[in-house]
Amino acid sequence: SQTIHQWPATLVQPVGSPLSLECTVEGTSNPNLYWYRQAAGRGLQLLFYSVGIGQISSEVPQNLSASRPQDRQFILSSKKLLLSDSGFYLCAWRGGRAWNEQFFGPGTRLTVL
Amino acid sequence: AQSVTQLDSQVPVFEEAPVELRCNYSSSVSVYLFWYVQYPNQGLQLLLKYLSGSTLVKGINGFEAEFNKSQTSFHLRKPSVHISDTAEYFCAVGSSGSARQLTFGSGTQLTVLP
Repeated sequence: SQTIHQWPATLVQPVGSPLSLECTVEGTSNPNLYWYRQAAGRGLQLLFYSVGIGQISSEVPQNLSASRPQDRQFILSSKKLLLSDSGFYLCAWRGGRAWNEQFFGPGTRLTVL
Repeated sequence: AQSVTQLDSQVPVFEEAPVELRCNYSSSVSVYLFWYVQYPNQGLQLLLKYLSGSTLVKGINGFEAEFNKSQTSFHLRKPSVHISDTAEYFCAVGSSGSARQLTFGSGTQLTVLP
């Protein structure tokens, strides 16, 4: 069966510090991968998606970047965090014949102080 | 372009009462619709999905939803809720592009009261 991992689960960082969040998927190959952000009291905003290694599409201009160095690894980064980067970050994958269905990881709670 | 509107941000309901969470969508192409549930500090879990066929879709935990093309709606219902149904519920519409992206609504917080 497939599983998706995210770490860390929680993170508190000062403004201006760098960020690296990691997401890995097990039990599938060549998945589509997605990064979402959920700000307090708001819905999910798609930040990045990837259809293959090294292929990243950005949905909104922002202070963040994403990379996919391996087939089942998706990394969200920032060189200098802003207060507005605080939120709940969710990674998701889609693959196989499940039409459009995405499976979500447990999320990372990021607080920027 | 696609969009999803969840008309109620918060829905309080007493235990064992019925509930309906409303969702309206707009899409210029074929429609694929989903409901997800999110418990506090957790990821999202799929409740049910509509891809084609019968407009009444049954999901997990006793939930069901009805696709209404003329009203562009996909409302979620449960005839009798439990305390454990307290969570946030998201409606989403899928795209047919290569990335098969989902566009989510802003969510509805369902609170079941004893």
